[in-house]
Amino acid sequence: DQQVKQNSPSLSVQEGRISILNCDYTNSMFDYFLWYKKYPAEGPTFLISISSIKDKNEDGRFTVFLNKSAKHLSLHIVPSQPGDSAVYFCAATPSGTYKYIFGTGTRLKVLA
Amino acid sequence: EADIYQTPRYLVIGTGKKITLECSQTMGHDKMYWYQQDPGMELHLIHYSYGVNSTEKGDLSSESTVSRIRTEHFPLTLESARPSHTSQYLCASTDGQSQETQYFGPGTRLLVL
Repeated sequence: DQQVKQNSPSLSVQEGRISILNCDYTNSMFDYFLWYKKYPAEGPTFLISISSIKDKNEDGRFTVFLNKSAKHLSLHIVPSQPGDSAVYFCAATPSGTYKYIFGTGTRLKVLA
Repeated sequence: EADIYQTPRYLVIGTGKKITLECSQTMGHDKMYWYQQDPGMELHLIHYSYGVNSTEKGDLSSESTVSRIRTEHFPLTLESARPSHTSQYLCASTDGQSQETQYFGPGTRLLVL
């Protein structure tokens, strides 16, 4: 039973356009969400996070949106750059547990 | 910038060998984690520790064991490696002062022949 789902295994976007990566979750106890970027043969690198008390968080080209009623979050990258090509993981954690549940990842390819 | 290290980065060994994957962090983080990840799959938590002398099994059953004798060090041991242990192993830590970011090491890619 997968509690964090990334239903798109891959996404291709033209350089300069917006990339939108989606993530759905089932556990209503999750209250903190994170996005990670992973290159092959490297560990995941933290990108951006959002607490359940917010519905949006921005950091430069990266924005995360949270829709609690739909149990859905998305990561927007604008403008997309070729260096953004990587696998993006969504993760969630229930309050106070410090245990993180990861999705299966979405491979983003930004075309020059 | 996260200071968390894993060695070796790559390991090819034969079935039945004992191996230890090393993980160290210099950030003084209390909480440390081991994940296993296969290509195209999610990261599965196999062990975690909330401090020295504290270790717990994660959500994915694993034949590996861990120890936490020092805050900065969280090694993972496989007593007898099998081909089914072939995977990428990722170590992470967090300071846990609030709902905080996990910092990951570069990973160890293990191949058991």
